[in-house]
Amino acid sequence: DAGVTQSPTHLIKTRGQHVTLRCSPISGHKSVSWYQQVLGQGPQFIFQYYEKEERGRGNFPDRFSARQFPNYSSELNVNALLLGDSALYLCASSFLGETEAFFGQGTRLTVV
Amino acid sequence: QKEVEQNSGPLSVPEGAIASLNCTYSDRGSQSFFWYRQYSGKSPELIMFIYSNGDKEDGRFTAQLNKASQYVSLLIRDSQPSDSATYLCAVKAGAGSYQLTFGKGTKLSVIP
Repeated sequence: DAGVTQSPTHLIKTRGQHVTLRCSPISGHKSVSWYQQVLGQGPQFIFQYYEKEERGRGNFPDRFSARQFPNYSSELNVNALLLGDSALYLCASSFLGETEAFFGQGTRLTVV
Repeated sequence: QKEVEQNSGPLSVPEGAIASLNCTYSDRGSQSFFWYRQYSGKSPELIMFIYSNGDKEDGRFTAQLNKASQYVSLLIRDSQPSDSATYLCAVKAGAGSYQLTFGKGTKLSVIP
């Protein structure tokens, strides 16, 4: 079975640009969450979507947005990139929003 | 502010010994507890979850939960060099909560 897949795996962007990260959950899973992990820290919750509805939002600015599609895949969008947005962005998939979450390989974003 | 605290380590144990990793959490309403293993440069991998007070064993891993003390631990028996990684403790609040709150992780080194 395919696990959680994220694309791209690595990305370099310039300050002020926009980025879109993509995630496909495990087959049958209906919930996708996004986390940001900076070096030396644990992942920080950004968003959760369940059945295409936003169910939770972390303490991130409005530059961050996300959506979930009918096939349960998801996109995370970040506008007006800052140097501080450089991090590993993780997508987690769960069957229901409240059950165990499994992470994809992540997207390493570098903002220069 | 919900917090999850872990000793950052590094924790060094000899091969074959028991590694003990500890985690405390501030939200008394937390219901679900997870341990993830993260190798350097990789994404977190779910290794254990526990919902009820007491012990839960899976192979060489034992998770222990004490809700009264707001304490969760992970024991790794017969530690192997391949267990060397950062171990992340994650906590989810009660029913209807979708957000995982992570600690900063404990770096474990198993010395051959």
